[in-house]
Amino acid sequence: ETGVTQTPRHLVMGMTNKKSLKCEQHLGHNAMYWYKQSAKKPLELMFVYNFKEQTENNSVPSRFSPECPNSSHLFLHLHTLQPEDSALYLCASSQDRSRETQYFGPGTRLLVL
Amino acid sequence: EDKVVQSPLSLVVHEGDTVTLNCSYEVTNFRSLLWYKQEKKAPTFLFMLTSSGIEKKSGRLSSILDKKELFSILNITATQTGDSAVYLCAVEITDSWGKLQFGAGTQVVVTP
Repeated sequence: ETGVTQTPRHLVMGMTNKKSLKCEQHLGHNAMYWYKQSAKKPLELMFVYNFKEQTENNSVPSRFSPECPNSSHLFLHLHTLQPEDSALYLCASSQDRSRETQYFGPGTRLLVL
Repeated sequence: EDKVVQSPLSLVVHEGDTVTLNCSYEVTNFRSLLWYKQEKKAPTFLFMLTSSGIEKKSGRLSSILDKKELFSILNITATQTGDSAVYLCAVEITDSWGKLQFGAGTQVVVTP
């Protein structure tokens, strides 16, 4: 059982829908991350938050909007997505500068129709 | 552009075999190299390597880094069906806090 939970686990949405992915970590970490994993592509870092402040935005389109209200919760708001955005979205958390403890959540499998 | 390349992309072995997975990288501002095992969905951490030539070992898994030739290998000895997974290599870059550049992964299938 992971200390990082993600909901929903599966999501199907149309291109005009608005939905949100939620991530929660119960590990007392200070940093949280969103990754995208597309089929047959490397895992891609999307956003990094440290103490609720965004420290990295890896050239992600504005149709993805992250929100980090506190160190334990991270959201990814989705609107007007494209079919090529279909992927597995993974959340992770870590302590400061301690890469061994970058724990991943189970992911949300997203399908955009 | 930072690059992490893993090889092979996939392989099938029999239980008891030894496998060697390769990860080569071209990045600016290297800090460390990490290996993850991904079964089903969430990657789980295996090793972090920062120094050349020092082998890290955990049970039947071991890994080593060569910072001169810019690669790392992950060895799995006496493979078991439970070793079937995608093995991901990632390089941490110092100028981006928390940024890990991942390779595409190697899919390992261990048959009984």
